[in-house]
Amino acid sequence: QQQVKQSPQSLIVQKGGISIINCAYENTAFDYFPWYQQFPGKGPALLIAIRPDVSEKKEGRFTISFNKSAKQFSLHIMDSQPGDSATYFCAPPRESGGFKTIFGAGTRLFVKA
Amino acid sequence: NAGVTQTPKFRVLKTGQSMTLLCAQDMNHEYMYWYRQDPGMGLRLIHYSVGEGTTAKGEVPDGYNVSRLKKQNFLLGLESAAPSQTSVYFCASSAPSGRTGNEQFFGPGTRLTVL
Repeated sequence: QQQVKQSPQSLIVQKGGISIINCAYENTAFDYFPWYQQFPGKGPALLIAIRPDVSEKKEGRFTISFNKSAKQFSLHIMDSQPGDSATYFCAPPRESGGFKTIFGAGTRLFVKA
Repeated sequence: NAGVTQTPKFRVLKTGQSMTLLCAQDMNHEYMYWYRQDPGMGLRLIHYSVGEGTTAKGEVPDGYNVSRLKKQNFLLGLESAAPSQTSVYFCASSAPSGRTGNEQFFGPGTRLTVL
């Protein structure tokens, strides 16, 4: 069964700094690798996702990168803002092409003003 | 569009009581899911459905039952609540495709406490 290990568990970053969250994932034959963002008291919502045809995807201040040799995905948040304070989950499919999802344990990000 | 809605938002039960959580979606999605979220454990899949009239077990199905009588609704039942079922419950729906992957749309959650 596929495993997902997300780190760190929590992260405190100064406003304007870079936040980096990692997700180690066994299956390198993925077809879709999303990250979800969850604000307190709300349900998770898709933030950004990557497909295997690219090793990096950028949307505004958010970037996903994939290190195939390390079997690791990373989420980078550039110029972090207090409004980015939330919990972030990597959530790849259990198997390539499947619809069931494994959620990482989550990373609580706090951006200090 | 309301997206995914959940009823109720909060509930306190005594051990042994039963209840039903209701999830509704207006996006015409085929797939629906029930998750529970506990501190430090991410979201764990309880049950899911790939279409009206179908249900299947997820990772942690024990103590729960589900029904999907209508495409837009997915009900989660607890027949005899236990303190270990204290959690936040999320419903989600999706329409997987090769082009967009399997983006799941989540409801606002139900916070359940079992005493």
